[in-house]
Amino acid sequence: AQSVAQPEDQVNVAEGNPLTVKCTYSVSGNPYLFWYVQYPNRGLQFLLKYITGDNLVKGSYGFEAEFNKSQTSFHLKKPSALVSDSALYFCAVRDSYSGAGSYQLTFGKGTKLSVIP
Amino acid sequence: GAGVSQSPSNKVTEKGKDVELRCDPISGHTALYWYRQSLGQGLEFLIYFQGNSAPDKSGLPSDRFSAERTGGSVSTLTIQRTQQEDSAVYLCASSRWSQGAESGNTIYFGEGSWLTVV
Repeated sequence: AQSVAQPEDQVNVAEGNPLTVKCTYSVSGNPYLFWYVQYPNRGLQFLLKYITGDNLVKGSYGFEAEFNKSQTSFHLKKPSALVSDSALYFCAVRDSYSGAGSYQLTFGKGTKLSVIP
Repeated sequence: GAGVSQSPSNKVTEKGKDVELRCDPISGHTALYWYRQSLGQGLEFLIYFQGNSAPDKSGLPSDRFSAERTGGSVSTLTIQRTQQEDSAVYLCASSRWSQGAESGNTIYFGEGSWLTVV
């Protein structure tokens, strides 16, 4: 079974400061990891993903994430937060072993990011 | 189309009525997913289609829920005899399929259908 944990329901950060949104995962095989962002009353927008290769992945809007296999983590980061980054962020995982023939993503419960002016 | 399209965007229905939610995936995407997002509950997987077949229906919560896909494109999620606990946002998503690499393909989401059962 695959699972994702986002330990923080909410993260508050001052504008201009670096931000981190935490994510840990559990899979049987190798993980494929994704971050999505959801603005109020909108669908999910893809930010970035890790499939293989470089552990540091760069994505949209200046976000990046670091894959750490030993800690089973995939934390989302941004060097300088903007007020417009305030949204709900979801981490998701898919097991590279899809023996059941399903390719569903399993999502964390989401972390609400508030960037304070 | 340019993105995943869902309709209706909002639906208010009376308890006990049936509802149909439609999803039009990104052109060329053979994989299609339905998820449900309830307030404070995160995203719940419902069903996965590869082409017109559904190899994984494990997330459908009851036999009141069903989904079909025709022509390898448009999908319809049907909820029969709606209950108040069915109130949620129903999100459709799609992705490409390429043998051996499908697991890494990005899933793109629509804006969702907001269902309220009164």
